[in-house]
Amino acid sequence: QKEVEQNSGPLSVPEGAIASLNCTYSDRVSQSFFWYRQYSGKSPELIMSIYSNGDKEDGRFTAQLNKASQYVSLLIRDSQPSDSATYLCAAPKGTGFQKLVFGTGTRLLVSP
Amino acid sequence: DTEVTQTPKHLVMGMTNKKSLKCEQHMGHRAMYWYKQKAKKPPELMFVYSYEKLSINESVPSRFSPECPNSSLLNLHLHALQPEDSALYLCASSQGPGEMNEQFFGPGTRLTVL
Repeated sequence: QKEVEQNSGPLSVPEGAIASLNCTYSDRVSQSFFWYRQYSGKSPELIMSIYSNGDKEDGRFTAQLNKASQYVSLLIRDSQPSDSATYLCAAPKGTGFQKLVFGTGTRLLVSP
Repeated sequence: DTEVTQTPKHLVMGMTNKKSLKCEQHMGHRAMYWYKQKAKKPPELMFVYSYEKLSINESVPSRFSPECPNSSLLNLHLHALQPEDSALYLCASSQGPGEMNEQFFGPGTRLTVL
């Protein structure tokens, strides 16, 4: 099992809909999670961090962590075409949790 | 200032060249990272510097040589690279090492090895 797994997509949603991006993880990683957004040809941009069970909301974004199910998700409300990007889930691992391991990323396409 | 800067933006080099990538942050962060990203793949960690000391080397070939001259600067020296080393090289920084420290990425250097 990979340490952090994501469905590669693409996930297609119409403008204004809720996009739901999911990530599962193994016991080998820390239970802090980070969501990055990466536009084509650009670098990853941190959009959400979540460290404890439950929901964390920031504007149109909500991160959800369920440690019992080893599952973390990112909801994007009122999706816009500008949200079209690859979303990477990441978690620290290793000695001192210095290493960030990434899922393969989910490509999101928001159609007008 | 919440920015990580990287120079150059693009670099084309031959297999016999020596070049350097530079990264700078002014956020007072004490951990800095080099990642390599190939097309349609996630970033892969290469090196971690924690408090200006190399703390992780992910078995990177010696043709890549990192250097941390001070807490704000990180260099990656390149020598005798191969065409398969062509990739986006990303620098990141975080307040410190550890599981709750958010890593912020620079814009990257797009490297092409001919």
